[in-house]
Amino acid sequence: NAGVMQNPRHLVRRRGQEARLRCSPMKGHSHVYWYRQLPEEGLKFMVYLQKENIIDESGMPKERFSAEFPKEGPSILRIQQVVRGDSAAYFCASSTVGIGGLETQYFGPGTRLLVL
Amino acid sequence: AQKITQTQPGMFVQEKEAVTLDCTYDTSDPSYGLFWYKQPSSGEMIFLIYQGSYDQQNATEGRYSLNFQKARKSANLVISASQLGDSAMYFCAMRDSGYAGNMLTFGGGTRLMVKP
Repeated sequence: NAGVMQNPRHLVRRRGQEARLRCSPMKGHSHVYWYRQLPEEGLKFMVYLQKENIIDESGMPKERFSAEFPKEGPSILRIQQVVRGDSAAYFCASSTVGIGGLETQYFGPGTRLLVL
Repeated sequence: AQKITQTQPGMFVQEKEAVTLDCTYDTSDPSYGLFWYKQPSSGEMIFLIYQGSYDQQNATEGRYSLNFQKARKSANLVISASQLGDSAMYFCAMRDSGYAGNMLTFGGGTRLMVKP
């Protein structure tokens, strides 16, 4: 089963530490999206990437957050100097290029980040 | 700007009965896609069904069907013959092809509880 892979599934960090979340898209998918879900809320878009390019980062906080999708390897969402408010579930999704640009996004299992 | 509204925070349904989960949307783009995802207590996001704005027929996938009323801008999910395993959060989401970022905008979700 070559679904979207995310690791780690759970991550605990102390305030001020760095968090690195990884996402491997489905085989054949070249588009990656990151979303954040706060408790009891829907998912909120953060960033959209293609290989080696950030296409849209309009949902990313201006500071401490960065994302990359290198030519080789998984996409990485990096949160520097984490704060308690960063505690959330972070989901990665991937898609192919489809006709009309309305292709389905398939989600990974998510990474639950807890900041102590 | 896109907007998705799910007005039912929680719903109960008796096992084996049908249930309708409401979703209304707002977009100025004539070309868009509507998606429903299921999030069980384990936390993953499972794609259920997709409806394109130009599709002539309502989408169906097994026990899931989408009651798409374009003039009313609604895309309600109908689950027939509910099962205990259907208990989960359900999210409606939209994408329009006019937005370069291709992000999904999610509603706040509906928690469905199936009673035995």
